Amino acid sequence: QKEVEQNSGPLSVPEGAIASLNCTYSDRGSQSFFWYRQYSGKSPELIMFIYSNGDKEDGRFTAQLNKASQYVSLLIRDSQPSDSATYLCAVQSGGSYIPTFGRGTSLIVHP
Amino acid sequence: NAGVTQTPKFQVLKTGQSMTLQCAQDMNHNSMYWYRQDPGMGLRLIYYSASEGTTDKGEVPNGYNVSRLNKREFSLRLESAAPSQTSVYFCASSERQDEQYFGPGTRLTVT
Repeated sequence: QKEVEQNSGPLSVPEGAIASLNCTYSDRGSQSFFWYRQYSGKSPELIMFIYSNGDKEDGRFTAQLNKASQYVSLLIRDSQPSDSATYLCAVQSGGSYIPTFGRGTSLIVHP
Repeated sequence: NAGVTQTPKFQVLKTGQSMTLQCAQDMNHNSMYWYRQDPGMGLRLIYYSASEGTTDKGEVPNGYNVSRLNKREFSLRLESAAPSQTSVYFCASSERQDEQYFGPGTRLTVT
């Protein structure tokens, strides 16, 4: 069974710090990796995707993928209170229509 | 461009009652999904439709049925609601291995 593991948190960081969110996955055939942000009471929305090993940067967000270690992470630089949310990691195998979601990590950015 | 819409937003049912949750997308996506989200459990796939005319069971299909009415619409039916089906239900759509777009959710309470 495909598994995606995330620390449920909460991860608490001060405003302006770097928040590091981690995700491990079990399926070595995984090819697509997504990070979704979900505010309380709202639906998930995509913030980053990554397909290749290495880093991918978009503004304050960096996704890091290491397929050999089956590990994907999300770094949020200069964290803001508005970044406080639950972050869901999703992993999808090649040719599959179905992503496997982790249970999410709750991030709290305090002023 | 509304994206993914869901109706109703809130619903309270008594045990044994039936209802249909409606979902529509205007992004011309082939794939559509129904998830439920419970505290601490993450997103769990109920049913999905890889393309118009096909539906398949996900992780937690018992007690639910679906209809892919056309390419735009994918409905979820509870034939005889049970308290265990109290949850937040999200519809999503995607194009193959691309990211998923979520609707705003339906908050269902079964008493």
